[in-house]
Amino acid sequence: EVQLVESGGGLVQPGGSLRLSCAASGFSLNNYAMCWVRQAPGKGLEWVSVISGAGGNTYYADSVKGRFTISRDNSKNTLYLQMNSLRADDTAVYYCAKGTTVTSESDYWGQGTLVTVSS
Amino acid sequence: DIQMTQSPSSLSASVRDRVTITCRASQDIRNSLAWYQQKPGKGPKLLVYGASRLESGVPSRFSGSGSGTDYTLTISSLQPDDFATYYCQQSYIIPLTFGQGTKVEIK
Repeated sequence: EVQLVESGGGLVQPGGSLRLSCAASGFSLNNYAMCWVRQAPGKGLEWVSVISGAGGNTYYADSVKGRFTISRDNSKNTLYLQMNSLRADDTAVYYCAKGTTVTSESDYWGQGTLVTVSS
Repeated sequence: DIQMTQSPSSLSASVRDRVTITCRASQDIRNSLAWYQQKPGKGPKLLVYGASRLESGVPSRFSGSGSGTDYTLTISSLQPDDFATYYCQQSYIIPLTFGQGTKVEIK
């Protein structure tokens, strides 16, 4: 059974950093594209970043480019999102999701982890 | 970026009603369109991909159609479990963009 479990969210001050993790089970991360999608409180879904399967190519939304870094550790079957220079508008629930390629729908999603950026 | 315009933003319907949600892309997305259902406090659930392909395990009352820039999600007979928010997403080009969502509420 495919499972995705996010962790690492919390309260952080503006300008601070946080690293989110997404532990995957039931499949091998390196065979699939994985993405992060966020949802601000009471708002819709916003695609954040994706990492390809085999090659590890990465892509970012303009709103996070240069501040966030997506990566994975195949030995731990875990996806990461390193978030630096956090701003109030980064406050959201962050979901990891499994796809097939970098331009594909996501067939499995985690339950999300809340990031709150506030002083 | 491709803009996805979803309508309506909310609707009220009764059990057994037929419900239709539309999504319009700002350019041709060649059927690279998915529909998701989201319930409060949960991650989205994939319903339809490739505009009209039903994800495994999704009830057949859900269907997707459309082409080019215009797409539709139809629920043929609304059930109590279907009250939720629905999102479309284009997967034609990065950044993958979502519609703003349609909240389906009980009338």
